[in-house]
Amino acid sequence: NAGVTQTPKFQVLKTGQSMTLQCAQDMNHNSMYWYRQDPGMGLRLIYYSASEGTTDKGEVPNGYNVSRLNKREFSLRLESAAPSQTSVYFCASSRDRGEKLFFGSGTQLSVL
Amino acid sequence: KQEVTQIPAALSVPEGENLVLNCSFTDSAIYNLQWFRQDPGKGLTSLLLIQSSQREQTSGRLNASLDKSSGRSTLYIAASQPGDSATYLCAVSGSSYKLIFGSGTRLLVRP
Repeated sequence: NAGVTQTPKFQVLKTGQSMTLQCAQDMNHNSMYWYRQDPGMGLRLIYYSASEGTTDKGEVPNGYNVSRLNKREFSLRLESAAPSQTSVYFCASSRDRGEKLFFGSGTQLSVL
Repeated sequence: KQEVTQIPAALSVPEGENLVLNCSFTDSAIYNLQWFRQDPGKGLTSLLLIQSSQREQTSGRLNASLDKSSGRSTLYIAASQPGDSATYLCAVSGSSYKLIFGSGTRLLVRP
């Protein structure tokens, strides 16, 4: 009954460091998404994967890369972290595009 | 560019009151609209999804309506309880199926 699992839950980075946020879903969903949530800005789509083997940019893709490793897993990489990337990151999945979204519990990232 | 607005940003009501949360969007060419609940420090939970061809959806004490032509949706919560305290977000999906979120309404139900 895990749903969407994200790791880590918390992370502190120094400017310029790199890291990968991991996301896995066990619902056999085709579509997966990465969002960031900032105070007063709502949730903004970073990247999404409509199906295994495809990825597309969302509203705010600069500074990020993604990998759809297989149907279950969708990772988000920060190559050179910047303070502007301090945020809460959410992974989500849906059976197909445009269907009900299921969210993970989030990763709180601070870049100093 | 689609923009989603939720008013009010915060709402405090006594337990038992019926309440309405509002969501408006600028582009009526939507595929569907979803309402979510977010508890502090947690992820989002989908409450209701309304397809563009539908006028409303109901789940328990929750009822969501959609008026595409006017670019509005409302979430009606009947007989509110302290456990309903959370942030409620609406999001619309267009032809690209990408969800655009509002900033949310923070609801406090006082015992």
